[in-house]
Amino acid sequence: GENVEQHPSTLSVQEGDSAVIKCTYSDSASNYFPWYKQELGKRPQLIIDIRSNVGEKKDQRIAVTLNKTAKHFSLHITETQPEDSAVYFCAANPGTASKLTFGTGTRLQVTL
Amino acid sequence: GAVVSQHPSWVICKSGTSVKIECRSLDFQATTMFWYRQFPKQSLMLMATSNEGSKATYEQGVEKDKFLINHASLTLSTLTVTSAHPEDSSFYICSARGQGVTYEQYFGPGTRLTVT
Repeated sequence: GENVEQHPSTLSVQEGDSAVIKCTYSDSASNYFPWYKQELGKRPQLIIDIRSNVGEKKDQRIAVTLNKTAKHFSLHITETQPEDSAVYFCAANPGTASKLTFGTGTRLQVTL
Repeated sequence: GAVVSQHPSWVICKSGTSVKIECRSLDFQATTMFWYRQFPKQSLMLMATSNEGSKATYEQGVEKDKFLINHASLTLSTLTVTSAHPEDSSFYICSARGQGVTYEQYFGPGTRLTVT
């Protein structure tokens, strides 16, 4: 089955700096890669996603890049703000199933 | 759009009793719903995939007789934890995927179960 690894597990940045979170996946059939933000005690919220036919996608301060050959994808947050502090999960959807396999999560702390 | 609700938001029950958790898609029809379990400071672990009108598909290691899933309509799936034990205490979250060729999953707010 699919295996998703995520790094780093914790990340602390100063407000205004950029944050990068990286994930690798194992199943070359995976074709959909969402990123979720989860605040403490709340539901995961989809913040951006990318499909395998696209190499990069951007939405304001958030961008995701995908390298299919290397089987890794990354989340980039620019001009970080304190409200960006949360746990971020990457996920991959194997092409043969509709379920998602999640990474282990990255706790992002944006300090003033 | 794409709102998913869950009820109850938290529940405390005694060992040996059963607890039912509801997951509803409020503004779209969900052909597929997913049930996850999340321990503190850990990732989401998929328990089962629920398709409307058919039996749920359970992940390896998840006891189907303990975690009963029913997806009776396109807007409602239920998870019943039977004969609950303290080790079943966890945060249970559902997600729903809409009809058609779509990959996006939208999560409910979760249910915190505490078994005493």
